[in-house]
Amino acid sequence: NAGVTQTPKFQVLKTGQSMTLQCAQDMNHNSMYWYRQDPGMGLRLIYYSASEGTTDKGEVPNGYNVSRLNKREFSLRLESAAPSQTSVYFCASSEWVTSGSEVYEQYFGPGTRLTVT
Amino acid sequence: TQLLEQSPQFLSIQEGENLTVYCNSSSVFSSLQWYRQEPGEGPVLLVTVVTGGEVKKLKRLTFQFGDARKDSSLHITAAQPGDTGLYLCAGEIFMYSGGGADGLTFGKGTHLIIQP
Repeated sequence: NAGVTQTPKFQVLKTGQSMTLQCAQDMNHNSMYWYRQDPGMGLRLIYYSASEGTTDKGEVPNGYNVSRLNKREFSLRLESAAPSQTSVYFCASSEWVTSGSEVYEQYFGPGTRLTVT
Repeated sequence: TQLLEQSPQFLSIQEGENLTVYCNSSSVFSSLQWYRQEPGEGPVLLVTVVTGGEVKKLKRLTFQFGDARKDSSLHITAAQPGDTGLYLCAGEIFMYSGGGADGLTFGKGTHLIIQP
């Protein structure tokens, strides 16, 4: 049981290049998320997928696209990378759990450190 | 809009000392969660508090949810260098599309350094 896995772990792009960040989870969770983490800004939601076949914009979706390939996999694509997209990207998955009352918990991958020059 | 405010932003103390970090909001949350993130890693869930006034203990870590479910605190007793990390609180929100789907909003975190 690997949890949430992300590839690649590090990436350097030139401005204008494109790339896809991959994420997979083996916990059979319905919901998956992409966040970016920047110093002083905390974790900000880019896109999410509440279930297979659906995706929705989060707080900072501009410049990104996503694909929920199946229940396990959720990819994030940068079509034309910009220096402002230099960040650490985290994928997460979640499920409602019941422990007395229903709560919502997220599990994160190890992150992708992206630099755009 | 930053719904969750964490304080202090940075804290550096000596091994063996006690400390408390705070997570405050003007909004009511049905639950709050605490995560710890170590350098180069993703956040890891520590605990979820659900009931107003609830107190949960995880070894030397004590988590409390405010009576009005707007705030939470994390108290560490006899801090150790292994406690060093970024501590994040998070609360449930309804998603930006207004569709009522699930999600979390995160505070910016408290950077904690425990010096040997």
